Amino acid sequence: GGIITQTPKFLIGQEGQKLTLKCQQNFNHDTMYWYRQDSGKGLRLIYYSITENDLQKGDLSEGYDASREKKSSFSLTVTSAQKNEMAVFLCASSPRGWGAEQYFGPGTRLTVL
Amino acid sequence: GDSVTQTEGQVTVSESKSLIINCTYSATSIAYPNLFWYVRYPGEGLQLLLKVITAGQKGSSRGFEATYNKETTSFHLQKASVQESDSAVYYCALSLRNNNNAPRFGAGTKLTVKP
Repeated sequence: GGIITQTPKFLIGQEGQKLTLKCQQNFNHDTMYWYRQDSGKGLRLIYYSITENDLQKGDLSEGYDASREKKSSFSLTVTSAQKNEMAVFLCASSPRGWGAEQYFGPGTRLTVL
Repeated sequence: GDSVTQTEGQVTVSESKSLIINCTYSATSIAYPNLFWYVRYPGEGLQLLLKVITAGQKGSSRGFEATYNKETTSFHLQKASVQESDSAVYYCALSLRNNNNAPRFGAGTKLTVKP
């Protein structure tokens, strides 16, 4: 088995601040993802990475940057946090191949004051 | 584009009754999608419940079943007799095989099972 770790669990920032969320997985999976989930809504894809140093934009990439420093880690940066932005950011990983199931982390809950 | 629709945001069912949670999908590629149901139990992370990668086949797990129907483009989740422990949020999702296209999720259906 494996695990996905997301840090921090809770993130509180100020409007306009740059904020970074981190994700680590020990499944040895090739592909990693960042999703945003607003309260009562589904998951929306922000960025994904098929392999180390690869980055692909999702539907919601504007306002975010991502970095896949190594196979096991995938970071997401909120470039300029928006006031009243509250959401849970979920990291996931999967083996190579788009039919593969995803494994999710516990999430980072973001609040912007 | 590709999308997944779950029509019910919340469903309440009495224990031991049957359940159906609707999911329909739209896929623009000629390649048939892989279909998934994920579940989030209270206090836990999102996890796979079941998946089906071949049209016409049925997936099952923990008493739940879902059949991949390419004619109606549906993947409804069913259970004959629910338990209180099934209370959770259920998400339908699709991904395309052999295509650089990340998985798409429905909005989720919150199931509450009353004792």
